[in-house]
Amino acid sequence: AQKITQTQPGMFVQEKEAVTLDCTYDTSDQSYGLFWYKQPSSGEMIFLIYQGSYDEQNATEGRYSLNFQKARKSANLVISASQLGDSAMYFCAMREINYGQNFVFGPGTRLSVLP
Amino acid sequence: DTEVTQTPKHLVMGMTNKKSLKCEQHMGHRAMYWYKQKAKKPPELMFVYSYEKLSINESVPSRFSPECPNSSLLNLHLHALQPEDSALYLCASSPKQGLAKNIQYFGAGTRLSVL
Repeated sequence: AQKITQTQPGMFVQEKEAVTLDCTYDTSDQSYGLFWYKQPSSGEMIFLIYQGSYDEQNATEGRYSLNFQKARKSANLVISASQLGDSAMYFCAMREINYGQNFVFGPGTRLSVLP
Repeated sequence: DTEVTQTPKHLVMGMTNKKSLKCEQHMGHRAMYWYKQKAKKPPELMFVYSYEKLSINESVPSRFSPECPNSSLLNLHLHALQPEDSALYLCASSPKQGLAKNIQYFGAGTRLSVL
């Protein structure tokens, strides 16, 4: 069974608008971490934001915030004030602390920011 | 500084060649990783080194041979590859393997083409 689901293969957003990229996950581990990475066409995976399963507050990093709904097992990434440089693939990933500990990546969402 | 350096950026090799990919980090991280990424897919874990010892091999064919000479350096030796091995090879590092907030920092990758 797929542990990370990203239902939007591609998304478009107008420059300066906000956009939400969806991520749902499946785990029976009580202790886990959720991560978002950005991958431009150059190939490098850039870490954006982290949310721990026990964190009560939603994580924020500059223009990035994570809408964490634990009961629904969702960890959506919100990008505010989109910029042209935000055009990239975005991967949601999970790390289960007690089951394997390795990253599991979702299939990714390609975001295109329109001028 | 969260820099992971990979060389070369591009590599073309024949099926009988022997080549090596190199990855270097100077962040004092003790866990290092090799991933393989095919086009339009998420990265797939190949190997994990923890404190310079191989801790995970995800059933990778023996034509891929990892090496960790010291805590800053990770190599991937390639021999008798197949055309289907053509992919982006990403290296990553993290402070330790067992941390809850185990952020992995990635290099820009090596784009490998096997002819």
